[in-house]
Amino acid sequence: QVQLQESGPRLVKPSQTLSLTCTVSNGSINSGDYYWTWIRQNPGKGLEWIGYIYYSGSTYYNPSLKSRVAISLGTSKNQFSLNLSSVTAADTAVYHCARELVRITGMMDVWGKGTTVTVSS
Amino acid sequence: DIQMTQSPSTLSASVGDRVTITCRASQSISTWLAWYQQKPGNAPKVLIYRASSLESGVPSRFSGSGSGTEFTLTISNLQPDDVATYYCHQCSNYPWTFGQGTKVEIK
Repeated sequence: QVQLQESGPRLVKPSQTLSLTCTVSNGSINSGDYYWTWIRQNPGKGLEWIGYIYYSGSTYYNPSLKSRVAISLGTSKNQFSLNLSSVTAADTAVYHCARELVRITGMMDVWGKGTTVTVSS
Repeated sequence: DIQMTQSPSTLSASVGDRVTITCRASQSISTWLAWYQQKPGNAPKVLIYRASSLESGVPSRFSGSGSGTEFTLTISNLQPDDVATYYCHQCSNYPWTFGQGTKVEIK
């Protein structure tokens, strides 16, 4: 059973960069069958899709975040990462990584439990 | 961006009831819609994809229908385990967007 686990700092100061890693267990990130995705959730804006990376390294981002976001494949074979720069309190959220099936557009069948990130000085 | 509007925001029903959640898209999305269930402290779990296809392992009391701009998720024979928040999700146009959620409670 494939599992995803988010990790990274829980507290980030305003104007700094939020950095999270998603570790994929019992499966390979090096597969053309999936998009590896980040989604965040906060009480104010609900669920917000951030973007994805494909095993080839190609990415697609939410235009509302595009100028601040970068998703990359990790240095470890089964990891991918999220960097969000110039954060403000509005970026406080639970951040989930997930995988989306390429053959069934939009279906995110495996999610990480999420990690809460607070932006505060 | 395509806006997704769910109703109601909260729903309270008895065990065994049939409940329906509605999701409306701000423009046509054909059948590019999924439904997710989220229990407190857990990640969302996909129930339905392509508007009406039941994900493997999901109980058959869950069903989805609709196309274009109006969609429904029906839970027939509501069970205590179904207490959760339900989200619709459009995957017709990037960026993917979600409804604001419907919280289902047991009376």
